[in-house]
Amino acid sequence: ETGVTQTPRHLVMGMTNKKSLKCEQHLGHNAMYWYKQSAKKPLELMFVYNFKEQTENNSVPSRFSPECPNSSHLFLHLHTLQPEDSALYLCASSQEVLAGGSSRTDTQYFGPGTRLTVL
Amino acid sequence: AQSVTQLDSHVSVSEGTPVLLRCNYSSSYSPSLFWYVQHPNKGLQLLLKYTSAATLVKGINGFEAEFKKSETSFHLTKPSAHMSDAAEYFCVVSDRGKSTFGDGTTLTVKP
Repeated sequence: ETGVTQTPRHLVMGMTNKKSLKCEQHLGHNAMYWYKQSAKKPLELMFVYNFKEQTENNSVPSRFSPECPNSSHLFLHLHTLQPEDSALYLCASSQEVLAGGSSRTDTQYFGPGTRLTVL
Repeated sequence: AQSVTQLDSHVSVSEGTPVLLRCNYSSSYSPSLFWYVQHPNKGLQLLLKYTSAATLVKGINGFEAEFKKSETSFHLTKPSAHMSDAAEYFCVVSDRGKSTFGDGTTLTVKP
């Protein structure tokens, strides 16, 4: 067990639905990530939270809305999605180490993912 | 800026033969380098990592990788492939808090 859990594991939703993906890490890490993994495409980083603050948003459409209420929990709120949003959504966590004015990312620990299908 | 290139999108080997998955990187600083494995419908799992210590890094399941700064490479090897090694493998370069993933290499192991 990696210490990162994701729920639900599978989700089917219509384009007008609103749903949320949940990620929880039990590793005491200070950074959390959302990735999108589509078939035959590279892994895409969507959002990064360091110390509960969003530090990266890689031009993700506004129909994806992240929330990080504390360093252990990360949500991805979904609304009015498109069929091309169907993918495996992976959550990860890591311990960011600050040294010499810059940060270093240690190993990322991944959850099992949520397989999302948008009809 | 940093980047990572996995030179082969697909590698096929026979069970019991060596595995070589190639990764080249570019980074302006001294990066950390990782290899992750992903089995079907699962999350990514760390195989091994290099963080400026020994250049030959040993990981789980008999995998190892050698950091070669002069060649900017971090190739993943295993002496003898097992059927359970069939999966997707990702090389990752991480520098100053930013991680860049390679496109992945699919390893097929034939009986």
